[in-house]
Amino acid sequence: DTGVSQDPRHKITKRGQNVTFRCDPISEHNRLYWYRQTLGQGPEFLTYFQNEAQLEKSRLLSDRFSAERPKGSFSTLEIQRTEQGDSAMYLCASSPDAREVGLFFGSGTQLSVL
Amino acid sequence: SQQGEEDPQALSIQEGENATMNCSYKTSINNLQWYRQNSGRGLVHLILIRSNEREKHSGRLRVTLDTSKKSSSLLITASRAADTASYFCATKIGGTASKLTFGTGTRLQVTL
Repeated sequence: DTGVSQDPRHKITKRGQNVTFRCDPISEHNRLYWYRQTLGQGPEFLTYFQNEAQLEKSRLLSDRFSAERPKGSFSTLEIQRTEQGDSAMYLCASSPDAREVGLFFGSGTQLSVL
Repeated sequence: SQQGEEDPQALSIQEGENATMNCSYKTSINNLQWYRQNSGRGLVHLILIRSNEREKHSGRLRVTLDTSKKSSSLLITASRAADTASYFCATKIGGTASKLTFGTGTRLQVTL
């Protein structure tokens, strides 16, 4: 499978716990994005990497959220001290450097905070 | 925040009919894209239209863009049950920004 891969598919955690999600983009794609989607809404942008550099970050990304992309390959998104409001689908997408192409999305990680 | 608003929020049609979804956005854009999302899955890119284009076709899809009205429409012709999904428009502004900003989506139900 050469698509965008996300792990885990589902995560249930208790409020206050830390969680980490992983995204493996399509191998030749330099750009990597994280989005969050709640039920009935469109995806909301969280952050964007060009290779290993985090170039854009949404104001939605509080200091409890951190994302990394070491060596410009896979990326991780960590949420510390989870809150019930963090419950959502976390989507990862990648794209090549060409300016006018669409994003390739993974299947997402569904987070439920109890 | 959501840049785009899709209209209608939900649409139910019978197989074989055409489906039209509209998207309005707020700021000037570099391009506009349409995506499909099946329930509980990731999004799939359907089509991209540049700000200097007015119409684009891909298979059974036809997209129009009116930058003066800041609006776009997606037409799916001869719909099939497999077209049942949520459809989102997404806009990319110019400059160095790379992110896409998505609308709220239209839920399409195609019945046999």
